[in-house]
Amino acid sequence: QLQLQESGPGLVKPSETLSLTCTVSGDSISSSTYYWAWIRQPPGKGLEWIGSIYYSGSTHYNPSLKSRVTISVDAPKNQFSLSLSSVTAADTAVYYCARLEDTVYSLHFDHWGQGTLVTVSS
Amino acid sequence: DIVLTQSPATLSLSPGERATLSCRASQSVSSSYFAWYQQKPGQAPRLLIYGASSRATGIPDRFSGSGSGTDFTLTINRLEPEDSALYYCQQFGRSPRITFGGGTRLEIK
Repeated sequence: QLQLQESGPGLVKPSETLSLTCTVSGDSISSSTYYWAWIRQPPGKGLEWIGSIYYSGSTHYNPSLKSRVTISVDAPKNQFSLSLSSVTAADTAVYYCARLEDTVYSLHFDHWGQGTLVTVSS
Repeated sequence: DIVLTQSPATLSLSPGERATLSCRASQSVSSSYFAWYQQKPGQAPRLLIYGASSRATGIPDRFSGSGSGTDFTLTINRLEPEDSALYYCQQFGRSPRITFGGGTRLEIK
């Protein structure tokens, strides 16, 4: 059974870098059908896609965050990571990692981690 | 940028009734790249519908999706109290590559 688990600091100071890791179990992160993604949700608000990565390292980022985001993959550890620089209070959110299934017929997030709240505050 | 607008913002219905949730895109969207998600308080979203009309694994047939182009609909028949949740639509397209709608809150009273 596929499981995704986010980990990282729950509190980050303004102007610093937010770093999170997603550990995947129950499937190989090197599966060719899937991308791996980060999505966030500010408290009481909607969902925002941050970016996605393929096991080869190919990435796609939300243009609104692209200048501050880096997503990387560590295939041997079956993990992928998010780095978001120069954070402000507006980056306070629940951060989810998710699997993005990409087939000829569809593209959708079929599995999600439980999410981790990251608060940006001094 | 493709913007997804969901309506209504809130829907309040009784058990056994039918819910119709709408998602309108600012530009035409490929049906293949359109999905619906359900999110309950304190939980991660769960995939309901992908490819605009295909139910995800384990989703009851009370849930159905339809639509094409710029107008998509999620229909939930025979509402149950457990259907109370936020529902989001999502599309994959050009920059930004993946976007979500603002959500519809469904209340079962």
